Amino acid sequence: DIQMTQSPSSLSASVGDRVTITCRASQSITSYLNWYQQKPGKAPKLLIYAASSLQSGVPSRFSGSGSGTDFTLTISSLQPEDFATYYCQQSYSSLPYTFGQGTKLEI
Amino acid sequence: QITLKESGPTLVKPTQTLTLTCTFSGFSLSTNGVGVAWIRQPPGKALEWLALIYWDDDKRYRPSLKSRLTITKDTSKNQVVLTMTDMDPVDTATYYCARRYVSGLTPGSWFDPWGQGTLVTVSS
Repeated sequence: DIQMTQSPSSLSASVGDRVTITCRASQSITSYLNWYQQKPGKAPKLLIYAASSLQSGVPSRFSGSGSGTDFTLTISSLQPEDFATYYCQQSYSSLPYTFGQGTKLEI
Repeated sequence: QITLKESGPTLVKPTQTLTLTCTFSGFSLSTNGVGVAWIRQPPGKALEWLALIYWDDDKRYRPSLKSRLTITKDTSKNQVVLTMTDMDPVDTATYYCARRYVSGLTPGSWFDPWGQGTLVTVSS
């Protein structure tokens, strides 16, 4: 399995802050990396696909970068609705697809 | 608008077989490249991919659970069914279905959108 490791596991920040979450793969996954946002009691929502492509309808304050084994999700200016848990997911290998352990972003 | 919705029992007993149905609309599982996946999330824990069925009926399973999982599709009904045998309390989780999507222009695939999820509790 390709292991996905996110850091930090939790993060406290304030409205207006710039926040960066990192995701590291246990082997190269080129650009086959997606980011999801999950709010309590809700299904995950796709934010970024293919490492840096912004999903339609997602605010431009979200951005993704990286390739190979190291990736980042950046929120340029935190808004109240951004407090949630964020997951990375690799699609390089389907046996199995794997997610990171999540990063909980708190006020 | 693309929607998916999971349905099935909320409570199953240990050793029983779980059958979940994903009913979707707004896309066709006959379209080249499209798939439907099942993903679960134990309470307070991370997401775990379980199975995927492709438009051409190819199937992928989580290796550690492969012996317990079966995924099938009914294209005419826009449904995908997941069965999991020999349920255990550790299988208590919210089970999601999601569309697997690929673009000819960008690498990889992704899950979008997701259903609302259904909580399955395994207890005697």
